[in-house]
Amino acid sequence: DGGITQSPKYLFRKEGQNVTLSCEQNLNHDAMYWYRQDPGQGLRLIYYSQIVNDFQKGDIAEGYSVSREKKESFPLTVTSAQKNPTAFYLCASSRDRASYGYTFGSGTRLTVV
Amino acid sequence: DQQVKQNSPSLSVQEGRISILNCDYTNSMFDYFLWYKKYPAEGPTFLISISSIKDKNEDGRFTVFLNKSAKHLSLHIVPSQPGDSAVYFCAARTNAGKSTFGDGTTLTVKP
Repeated sequence: DGGITQSPKYLFRKEGQNVTLSCEQNLNHDAMYWYRQDPGQGLRLIYYSQIVNDFQKGDIAEGYSVSREKKESFPLTVTSAQKNPTAFYLCASSRDRASYGYTFGSGTRLTVV
Repeated sequence: DQQVKQNSPSLSVQEGRISILNCDYTNSMFDYFLWYKKYPAEGPTFLISISSIKDKNEDGRFTVFLNKSAKHLSLHIVPSQPGDSAVYFCAARTNAGKSTFGDGTTLTVKP
């Protein structure tokens, strides 16, 4: 079955450490996205990529980095520069720019202690 | 400046009745509007969308209405079922593909 896999589902890290969240899709989608959700709030865009080897900053990119070396993979690194990293992180993909309706992964809950 | 707003954090309806979830937007450049449903600790699931050139789109129990002059859209669920209880997000997309989400409305359908 096609879909998006995010791993791990729960992640704990000490303050000051970098951590990388995995996102893999087998839907052959061109575009991939990273969103962050905080309690009681909507989804805020961190980074997005429309093609391999290209990505753009979203609304809250500070303290995060990404790479898109393969079509299937779009890992997100939460660096120590991110002031409030504890959140629920969601990865999504879509076919192309004109397509509507993202397919989301099941999310990674990151807790920094 | 929040471009997509869902002003009602929660909504409670009786099973079998209509649920109406509302959304307002400010950016006239959005070309698609979408609704997603989300359960706790899961990713959102796409429900239904509408192009900016349409004013209504229907899919089974779900209908989305768009009023461009008012920059307002709504999702109607008829009849509402207990399994519809979830958080509903309104989103708007530009032709560049990015989506901007509202803060969500928690729908509770009581048996």
